Amino acid sequence: GAVVSQHPSRVICKSGTSVKIECRSLDFQATTMFWYRQFPKKSLMLMATSNEGSKATYEQGVEKDKFLINHASLTLSTLTVTSAHPEDSSFYICSANDLRLADYNEQFFGPGTRLTVL
Amino acid sequence: KQEVTQIPAALSVPEGENLVLNCSFTDSAIYNLQWFRQDPGKGLTSLLLIQSSQREQTSGRLNASLDKSSGRSTLYIAASQPGDSATYLCTVLMDSNYQLIWGAGTKLIIKP
Repeated sequence: GAVVSQHPSRVICKSGTSVKIECRSLDFQATTMFWYRQFPKKSLMLMATSNEGSKATYEQGVEKDKFLINHASLTLSTLTVTSAHPEDSSFYICSANDLRLADYNEQFFGPGTRLTVL
Repeated sequence: KQEVTQIPAALSVPEGENLVLNCSFTDSAIYNLQWFRQDPGKGLTSLLLIQSSQREQTSGRLNASLDKSSGRSTLYIAASQPGDSATYLCTVLMDSNYQLIWGAGTKLIIKP
């Protein structure tokens, strides 16, 4: 149980285009989903926290107009990178937790999406 | 502000050796601590999760300990194998806001 999927696993796009990344909880309802970004040889950095049906909470320094997050259902959150630039190239990982679980603070991680902006 | 430090940043050992990876954190008000493995270009694989009330967890050749008061955790890998080569990440879940704070990782290479 507690499987999180991400799609696509890898995407290459041109500068100026927008890219949407999906994060799905496959066998549980994810009341909260988290989006992380990982730079090469660096640790993960939390970008934003999203609760189903409400606006995402962005971390300091993360542009909310550039990284659009939608958490419209209990099993799906999307991250849209708008007007992508080469410096947006990174590894994006989502995670989710399930308030119904005894340890509802454990996060379950997706496999990640490698974004390359040319 | 919580800071998580992992030492060493990189480690290369011959196959078969037992080894220890270290993780330290500055704020002991944590809910749990978790060790992950990340293969190059891949996502995260959870290895062991230790609740704040626990002292250690074991899974196969892996043993993780937690000393919350001193802000330390170790990941012990017994009889290392080339397949253990990966980056190992330590993360703590904060009591105050349930945010995960990550270490920068230890890159482990096991030489055949």
